[in-house]
Amino acid sequence: DIQMTQSPPSLSASVGDRVTITCRASQSISTYLNWYQQKPGKAPKVLIYAASSLQSGVPSRFSGSGSGTDFTLTISSLQPADFATYYCQHCYGTPPWTFGQGTKVEIK
Amino acid sequence: QVQLQESGPGLVKPSQTLSLTCTVSGGSISGGNYYWSWIRQPAGKGLEWIGRIYTSGSTNYNPSLKSRVTMSVDTSKNQFSLKLSSVTAADTAVYYCARQGHDCSGTNCYYWFDPWGQGTLVTVSS
Repeated sequence: DIQMTQSPPSLSASVGDRVTITCRASQSISTYLNWYQQKPGKAPKVLIYAASSLQSGVPSRFSGSGSGTDFTLTISSLQPADFATYYCQHCYGTPPWTFGQGTKVEIK
Repeated sequence: QVQLQESGPGLVKPSQTLSLTCTVSGGSISGGNYYWSWIRQPAGKGLEWIGRIYTSGSTNYNPSLKSRVTMSVDTSKNQFSLKLSSVTAADTAVYYCARQGHDCSGTNCYYWFDPWGQGTLVTVSS
């Protein structure tokens, strides 16, 4: 299975900050990488698919980049609604699809 | 707008079979060439993909669970289901159903999970 490693596991930031979360795959996955946001008690919500494509309805302050093994999710100006846990997930080749362990974004 | 809703027992005894159903509303489960997945999340932990099913009945399972998982689909009821046998406390989790969206160009397909059901907590305990 392809292993997905996120960093950092958690971070503290203030409203308005630029936030960057990284995800590394254990092997090259081209751009077959998705990002999700999960708030407590809620199901995850897709933000980015295919590494950099913004899902319809997702604010433009979210962006994704990367290819191969290294990927980044950036929030350009953190808003109160963005405090949540973020997961990366690969969809390369045949299943199983695996998720990163998550990055919790907390209020500083 | 498609919505998904999980249903099933919230408490299952060890060694028994966990059974959940996901009901799809706002659209036909057979429309759009979608796969339908189950994903779980133990409390305070990350997400684990369990498997997926196509409306033809074709399935893919996570190898870590394959020996215990069975998925099925009932297009007449717009539902798909999960059975997980021989459960232990390690199977205690919130179970989500989700549609696997896709964007295909030629033979290259990008997949992602959207939308998701709200999730249902299943506790394995005697």
